[in-house]
Amino acid sequence: QSALTQPRSVSGSPGQSVTLSCTGTGSDVGSYNHVSWYRHHPGKAPKLMIYDVSQRPSGVPDRFSGSKSANTASLTISGLQAEDEADYYCCSYAGSYSWVFGGGTTLTVL
Amino acid sequence: EVQLVQSGAEVKKPGESLKISCKGSGYTFTRFWIAWVRQMPGKGLEWMGIIYPGDSDTRYTPSFQGQVTFSADKSINTAYLHWSSLKASDTAIYYCARLPAAAGTDLDPWGQGTQVTVSS
Repeated sequence: QSALTQPRSVSGSPGQSVTLSCTGTGSDVGSYNHVSWYRHHPGKAPKLMIYDVSQRPSGVPDRFSGSKSANTASLTISGLQAEDEADYYCCSYAGSYSWVFGGGTTLTVL
Repeated sequence: EVQLVQSGAEVKKPGESLKISCKGSGYTFTRFWIAWVRQMPGKGLEWMGIIYPGDSDTRYTPSFQGQVTFSADKSINTAYLHWSSLKASDTAIYYCARLPAAAGTDLDPWGQGTQVTVSS
């Protein structure tokens, strides 16, 4: 199973919106709504931000939203804040008890 | 509070064995899967597989099958990741995380990670 494709880096200014993409195939992102997004500050535990394409866990601000179209999932962060600077990983179920992460996107808040 | 606490950093030599742990608290340990995730130095996250502590059912991602072993002791709410013979390429941070359903990807929460360093 190949890793999902994410842009290596994205940047935005405080208060702006950014959208991170995650491209898979018809065998993973395109076939299942079990797509999640994680925020990872290096040296800390990753944090679940979105699951099942667009669901927010309790405690995650509504600045974070998720969507999917065909084989590509997206994470939109509005009202960028300094604390949003981190690595972001998408993850998809790929059937038959297999799962795949994206390569990760480093978000820089300018 | 739902929490996963992992064992501390390890430094081992190639060929040695190792077992690291992940202790759950604040929820019914036997009713959720535990996933293991690897992060090699400077690299992204890799899903290694899952174990269901209720009956120790395990599912390994193909690239990790035969390389590691998952186990669990439900009497002490602890899951384990075991290597019988470490290689330098096993150097990484290993995370455990709770997973509600095997076909899902909503890992929450995560343990703090265990740094494993394998060097001669």
